[in-house]
Amino acid sequence: GESVGLHLPTLSVQEGDNSIINCAYSNSASDYFIWYKQESGKGPQFIIDIRSNMDKRQGQRVTVLLNKTVKHLSLQIAATQPGDSAVYFCAENPFFISGGYQKVTFGTGTKLQVIP
Amino acid sequence: GAGVSQSPRYKVAKRGRDVALRCDSISGHVTLYWYRQTLGQGSEVLTYSQSDAQRDKSGRPSGRFSAERPERSVSTLKIQRTEQGDSAVYLCASSLRFGTGVVRTEAFFGQGTRLTVV
Repeated sequence: GESVGLHLPTLSVQEGDNSIINCAYSNSASDYFIWYKQESGKGPQFIIDIRSNMDKRQGQRVTVLLNKTVKHLSLQIAATQPGDSAVYFCAENPFFISGGYQKVTFGTGTKLQVIP
Repeated sequence: GAGVSQSPRYKVAKRGRDVALRCDSISGHVTLYWYRQTLGQGSEVLTYSQSDAQRDKSGRPSGRFSAERPERSVSTLKIQRTEQGDSAVYLCASSLRFGTGVVRTEAFFGQGTRLTVV
């Protein structure tokens, strides 16, 4: 499979512990954010999204926190499991294209390693 | 099919040659995106196309990169005169709606094509 995570920041977590993955975004006008999970050899998978009129959103075992003041996003995974091992990306306004073509960039990602 | 499918999974091309990468998206999805993912450098969108009411709008091609959409659920990314810097994983994604307005929907990604230019 693909080795997407070779040069990425890595977070190692013991199975059962909580994980926190952080992301800084650049555009203060961004109003929509998505967290993606990418396992080796696969494309990114949607995990959870949040709009800028919220500062917290919860899903199943995941919580996204948004701090617009410092342009910071975090993903919290409760009771981390081996299946959570993957690269996690945040994306701002990922599919919003206004008028003409707009270049959209995902973050480089963080590799989460779960230690059994 | 159930998801987005890309072919080939791996492609080796000689520098200077043209390549074409295929994406079969989810039936009924309106918008197709092509991304380039480089190891340790994140992903960037290359082009997109929106198809509704049998009209196709393709994103402005970026230099040597262009996308064609011969059928509503099929897209081909063409890279002309490949360079070594084009070596990357190319991801295709499709979404049910176009990403403007109040409602935005998630996109579904294929597994990618790894292009190596030698």
